Amino acid sequence: GQQVMQIPQYQHVQEGEDFTTYCNSSTTLSNIQWYKQRPGGHPVFLIQLVKSGEVKKQKRLTFQFGEAKKNSSLHITATQTTDVGTYFCAGPGSGGSNYKLTFGKGTLLTVNP
Amino acid sequence: NAGVTQTPKFQVLKTGQSMTLQCAQDMNHNSMYWYRQDPGMGLRLIYYSASEGTTDKGEVPNGYNVSRLNKREFSLRLESAAPSQTSVYFCASVSWARNEKLFFGSGTQLSVL
Repeated sequence: GQQVMQIPQYQHVQEGEDFTTYCNSSTTLSNIQWYKQRPGGHPVFLIQLVKSGEVKKQKRLTFQFGEAKKNSSLHITATQTTDVGTYFCAGPGSGGSNYKLTFGKGTLLTVNP
Repeated sequence: NAGVTQTPKFQVLKTGQSMTLQCAQDMNHNSMYWYRQDPGMGLRLIYYSASEGTTDKGEVPNGYNVSRLNKREFSLRLESAAPSQTSVYFCASVSWARNEKLFFGSGTQLSVL
């Protein structure tokens, strides 16, 4: 079945440094979603990418969807302490199971002020 | 507008006990999900309900049962709790037809002793 792999598992940065997390799927995805979970909280939706090669920006966050729709990345420019949390990518299942949304293991970002 | 409501927030069980986690959403969403979150494992899909009247297994269904009681409610039952089921459980809902994002409840922290 479809698997979504995410790297790195952990990333520690100094405030002001950039951060990138990568998501790779074993199958072509119809779309990919990104979520952020603050420590002790629940996942919160950030964005959905649908088109091949799509790039979307939210302030300091840049999201990309690969041309083959099998990989995606989230890049944060000049991290701030408010960026701390775990970032997850999620994709629908293959074989017609679009409702079966599975998540990567996430990347835990910590920021040293 | 409460969104997705999960009860209880915390629960301690003894091995072999049973319990039901409740989830209700007031956003008229068709699809509902149960995930468990363990350190380093990300969010793993237990069961999901694409629409009222249907339920399907996710990645880790063993030891669990679900009921889509109506459009609003989706419960998760542990018939005979085991220490391996100690985890944080999240319910989520979405209306894919309206191309909306997945909304999560605040989670249930379950400990099985």
